[in-house]
Amino acid sequence: GAGVSQSPSNKVTEKGKDVELRCDPISGHTALYWYRQSLGQGLEFLIYFQGNSAPDKSGLPSDRFSAERTGGSVSTLTIQRTQQEDSAVYLCASSLVGPLAGFSYEQYFGPGTRLTVT
Amino acid sequence: DAKTTQPNSMESNEEEPVHLPCNHSTISGTDYIHWYRQLPSQGPEYVIHGLTSNVNNRMASLAIAEDRKSSTLILHRATLRDAAVYYCILLTFFGNEKLTFGTGTRLTIIP
Repeated sequence: GAGVSQSPSNKVTEKGKDVELRCDPISGHTALYWYRQSLGQGLEFLIYFQGNSAPDKSGLPSDRFSAERTGGSVSTLTIQRTQQEDSAVYLCASSLVGPLAGFSYEQYFGPGTRLTVT
Repeated sequence: DAKTTQPNSMESNEEEPVHLPCNHSTISGTDYIHWYRQLPSQGPEYVIHGLTSNVNNRMASLAIAEDRKSSTLILHRATLRDAAVYYCILLTFFGNEKLTFGTGTRLTIIP
């Protein structure tokens, strides 16, 4: 079946511009995560959506970062006034949560969006 | 949060078994041991998870020490496609399972 998809796959933008990154999770998955991974670094959590609950925004690095999830499906991560330190691969993951998942909480990742801020 | 410790890198010959160790001496009773891997230029991929008993799936086996302070991911017959960075992480049972990867173990497979 279809996995998690992300678009665009690559984005080059000038410092100070706004960017939008899109994530289409696996159909039926109620949980959606955004992470980022800088070159040669580990995975950094950004934000988590679960059903209709308020999102966990505790990982967002600044107020320039925001995300929304419409209709419990597609999610958009927006970075305003981009800075060079925002350059990274932005990864989206989705998972089933709760009894339907057998409590495994396995997360399925998309291929990521490579963001380069020049 | 309970942390994990893994070797930075390992090498293995193709078609040989690989044992990837992970130490988690401060693990709590509600922590599940999860393994993910990340192939070059790809997003992370779930491998296996367990709580107390050893686990097997089509990708690998997970051997968990009796005191749960360490675990070993076992690839029974490594192939070139298994070359990746392997991450061992602890996730609590409830709530928001935010994944936070460290540097993991970079596994190189020698043909």
